[in-house]
Order: sequence, then structure tokens, then C-alpha cells
Amino acid sequence: GENVGLHLPTLSVQEGDNSIINCAYSNSASDYFIWYKQESGKGPQFIIDIRSNMDKRQGQRVTVLLNKTVKHLSLQIAATQPGDSAVYFCAESASSASKIIFGSGTRLSIRP
Amino acid sequence: EAQVTQNPRYLITVTGKKLTVTCSQNMNHEYMSWYRQDPGLGLRQIYYSMNVEVTDKGDVPEGYKVSRKEKRNFPLILESPSPNQTSLYFCASSFRVPGGDAGQETQYFGPGTRLLVL
Repeated sequence: GENVGLHLPTLSVQEGDNSIINCAYSNSASDYFIWYKQESGKGPQFIIDIRSNMDKRQGQRVTVLLNKTVKHLSLQIAATQPGDSAVYFCAESASSASKIIFGSGTRLSIRP
Repeated sequence: EAQVTQNPRYLITVTGKKLTVTCSQNMNHEYMSWYRQDPGLGLRQIYYSMNVEVTDKGDVPEGYKVSRKEKRNFPLILESPSPNQTSLYFCASSFRVPGGDAGQETQYFGPGTRLLVL
């Protein structure tokens, strides 16, 4: 498959445990945040998003937390499964801009 | 099936030989974008388009051109490729510009184009 990141930070978790992937963003004006999942050989896939007027949003098995004070974003995956193995990217956008800025990614590895 | 397609998926070329990577979406999206992905650098935006005939530079536009003559197509053109343009390229589309109306800005990505410039 595609090697999308030779030097990515890696998070290794036991199957069935919860995973927490963290992201620091830089632009105080950013008001929209997204998490993407990228499996080997594929393009990024939208997981969940959150706007700056919220500090938590839940999806199916995933939760995104936003701390604007320290400019920190996290993605929590409940009961991690082998299919969750991928590179996860956070991204930020400001409504005054017309583009998304991506972080460098974290590789999630699942131990059986 | 709603999708973003890119062609070719893999390309090996030589320095200076003009090439075009096509991108097409069938979701009637207004916003389209090109990214390159390099190890350790994540995705960096090359160019984006907010609608037909409206294009603008992203973070790394040097050496690239785009056009948006039709809503569904957004080709990426490398007039004179150089080895530093060796990368993995992704096209993406969404209804609206990211950060705009809630629920309208989810970007759908194509499968990627792996380019090697010798």
C-alpha cells in the first residue's frame, strides 16, 4: 500500500481498548475542525467534525473534544477494532479563509 | 455511486515533460481542491476552486496550474515537472467551501495519484 508517512507518530492500542489521538492546532481564528482517516492506498475519509461553538461532539464510536483555550483537539475511538488501523489527520479551517489546513497525522496500530 | 475519480493513478515521467492529472466528481460540488501528500508533512493544498472559472492558490502552488471550465472537472497541470514534484496527489470536492455552512463542507477525496518525476 501507499506509504503516506515515514516518520509519523504512532499510537499502539490493544484491540477492544479505547484510543485517544491528539492534535494541536495553531490558528486562533480557526473555527471548524475535522478528523480524517486514511487507510493504506486510499484517500482521506471524513470521520467527524466540530465547530468552535462546541467543545464535544459524538458520532458512532467516535468522540471529538475541542479545547479552544489551549488550541487542542482530540479524537476518541471506543472499543478499537482492527479496521480502525489507519493514519488519522486533524484539520482546521477559519470561516474567513477558504481552505483547510491539515496536521501531519498519527498512525494508529491495533494489537490483537 | 457518488465519487471523486482521478487519472492516472500512477505516473512516471521525466523532468520537463508536461503532464495533466484529471479529477472529476459526480456530486455537483462547487468546491474542489488539489493536495499533495509527502512523508511527515501531511496534506498541503496546491490550488482550490470555489466554482466554475474561480480558482485560487493554496499553500504550495508553485509549478502547478489548474482550470475549472466545468463544474465536475478540475485538472491539475504540471507544465514542466521537476523531481521535487514527486509526490502523492489528491483531489477533493465538497458542496461548499470548508468552514462554511454546516453539513455542506465535508470533503470527499479521490483515490490519489502517485507521481514520480525522474
